[in-house]
Amino acid sequence: QVQLQQWGAGLLKPSETLSLTCAVDGGSFSGHYWHWFRQSPGKGLEWIGEVTLSGGTNYNPTLKNRVTISLDTSKNQFSLKVNSVTAADTAVYYCAGRYYFDLWGRGTLVTVSS
Amino acid sequence: QAVVTQEPSLTVSPGGTVTLTCGSSAGAVTSAHYVYWFQQKPGQAPRTLIYDTTKKHSWTPARFSASLLGGKSALTLSGAQPEDEADYYCSLSYSGAYVLGAGTKVTVL
Repeated sequence: QVQLQQWGAGLLKPSETLSLTCAVDGGSFSGHYWHWFRQSPGKGLEWIGEVTLSGGTNYNPTLKNRVTISLDTSKNQFSLKVNSVTAADTAVYYCAGRYYFDLWGRGTLVTVSS
Repeated sequence: QAVVTQEPSLTVSPGGTVTLTCGSSAGAVTSAHYVYWFQQKPGQAPRTLIYDTTKKHSWTPARFSASLLGGKSALTLSGAQPEDEADYYCSLSYSGAYVLGAGTKVTVL
């Protein structure tokens, strides 16, 4: 069964860089778009951005200046970086994608605290 | 950036029918928005019920259906089950950028 496995640091200090990775386990990586979402505690889902297999990206305009999504096709992985984090970036981060968002990661809680 | 609107909460009786709607501050919702509906239960990752406005994944129960109605996207749950109690989020695409609504909490009571 194809799954998305995600991992990354769960505790950051303000101004540090958030870095998460998502891997496609057991299935094809090619030919799809891959996305990141986040959900602040007790809040709704927010789309962060996407990367295509050609490496093209689209980002949420409200985060665009601090976000980079990239992919490593040799490892069937894609990654998220958010620069200069603040407490407002505390959230559960989800990777998702493939055929019309049929795959979702289990989520990674990232807490930003001094 | 456009704002996507959803009802904050709805209650449905077991076996009853409820319709959730998804609107856009930028005008009528159309098939060009490639509407998605996600279901999320407490402590779980979302799962996608509806894509491309009306299409279902293989795991989407038949009691869920989606349509365009009155300038909005509508998700109808017919024959609600206790396990349908969840938060439901719609997503609209605006030139490749996705904007999600704040979600509708559906209670089956």
